[in-house]
Amino acid sequence: DIQMTQSPSSLSASIGDRVNITCRASQSISNYLNWYQQRPGKAPKLLIHAASNLQSGVPSRFSGSGSGTDFTLTISSLQLEDFATYYCQKTYTTPLTFGGGTKVEIK
Amino acid sequence: EEQVLESGGGLVQPGGSLRLSCTASGFTFRNYAMSWVRQAPGKGLEWVSGIFGSGGSTFYADSMKGRFTVSRDNSKNTLYLQMNSLRAEDSAVYYCAKHTHQIVYYGMDVWGQGTTVTVSS
Repeated sequence: DIQMTQSPSSLSASIGDRVNITCRASQSISNYLNWYQQRPGKAPKLLIHAASNLQSGVPSRFSGSGSGTDFTLTISSLQLEDFATYYCQKTYTTPLTFGGGTKVEIK
Repeated sequence: EEQVLESGGGLVQPGGSLRLSCTASGFTFRNYAMSWVRQAPGKGLEWVSGIFGSGGSTFYADSMKGRFTVSRDNSKNTLYLQMNSLRAEDSAVYYCAKHTHQIVYYGMDVWGQGTTVTVSS
């Protein structure tokens, strides 16, 4: 099975900071990569699909890039509501594996 | 508004069985693949199982194969997860999620609030 590795597992940042979260697949998954945000006690929310496509209704400060094995989620200017845990997920083949998550905390 | 609502969680003894349901509304259910995703307390997301919109193909994580069965009734807009031979490590919040296409190879854009399964004696 293809493994998904996210880094870092956690980070501390300030309001207005630019934040990058990376996700690496153990083999090529083309652009079959999605990003989700999960706030405490809430269900996940789809942010980015197919590596770089912003889901409808998601603020434009979120962006995704990459293809093949290396992917990045960027938050251009961190807002208070962005403090959450972020997960990548590959949908190239089953199992539809998630990365381990990146918790974004307030510095 | 597109919505999914899970039910059927609860406390079950090790080795027992439970059937989860997920009722969909606000979209044409048969046109979309569906998945179950779980999250153990304090842990990350784990994809459990998925099914095509037609119901013709089903998929499972390795640790669930042979114990869990996913199905759907498109006439009732309902997704199911039959869980047998439950173990303590199956304790989690189970989410139902809608994929953006008929097949599972795309993201999941509608999620329920989850139903809690606790496996304990």
